[in-house]
Amino acid sequence: SAVISQKPSRDICQRGTSLTIQCQVDSQVTMMFWYRQQPGQSLTLIATANQGSEATYESGFVIDKFPISRPNLTFSTLTVSNMSPEDSSIYLCSVERRDRSYNEQFFGPGTRLTVL
Amino acid sequence: GENVEQHPSTLSVQEGDSAVIKCTYSDSASNYFPWYKQELGKRPQLIIDIRSNVGEKKDQRIAVTLNKTAKHFSLHITETQPEDSAVYFCAASKDSSYKLIFGSGTRLLVRP
Repeated sequence: SAVISQKPSRDICQRGTSLTIQCQVDSQVTMMFWYRQQPGQSLTLIATANQGSEATYESGFVIDKFPISRPNLTFSTLTVSNMSPEDSSIYLCSVERRDRSYNEQFFGPGTRLTVL
Repeated sequence: GENVEQHPSTLSVQEGDSAVIKCTYSDSASNYFPWYKQELGKRPQLIIDIRSNVGEKKDQRIAVTLNKTAKHFSLHITETQPEDSAVYFCAASKDSSYKLIFGSGTRLLVRP
């Protein structure tokens, strides 16, 4: 499987500020995704990070709040803008590996965000 | 859009017993169904998956079954061990988007 890293691993931020999370993969991948996992909850897809074009956002998530970049096939960033305590969550990137026609997805280690 | 329901939310079994977790999905176009295991403080790990052209898949103590007609799939863990204790998530996706829609999760506790 691909080796996926995220920075930072955790952060504590003040409300009203913004945080940019980085996701780096050790090999080129076609699809990259960003998920949010609120405490004790399941994973919710925020958006699909498209290389060379604007991200595709899911219902309830907007570009102004969660701008995403995907400059190449191994790297993506997610920014959480104008943060409030409700944004406290774990943010995970995932990458899709197409192998033997199976669309397996693997997750990064996550970024634990606490907003005060 | 796709909706995935997962049951039960918690499951407690005695070591050595079997555990079964069930999921249903709503979008008949979904054709890929992975299962993830998430230990406390860790990332979700893919443990087994199945595609819609297969009815059952096994990997040692873990098996997944799929009923396309009923839009239902299940995870079966036999001879459970304490290290199987974790939260398990089912998910569904389709080739047109590849995005995963997750179930709500099952917290499995294996009692020694």
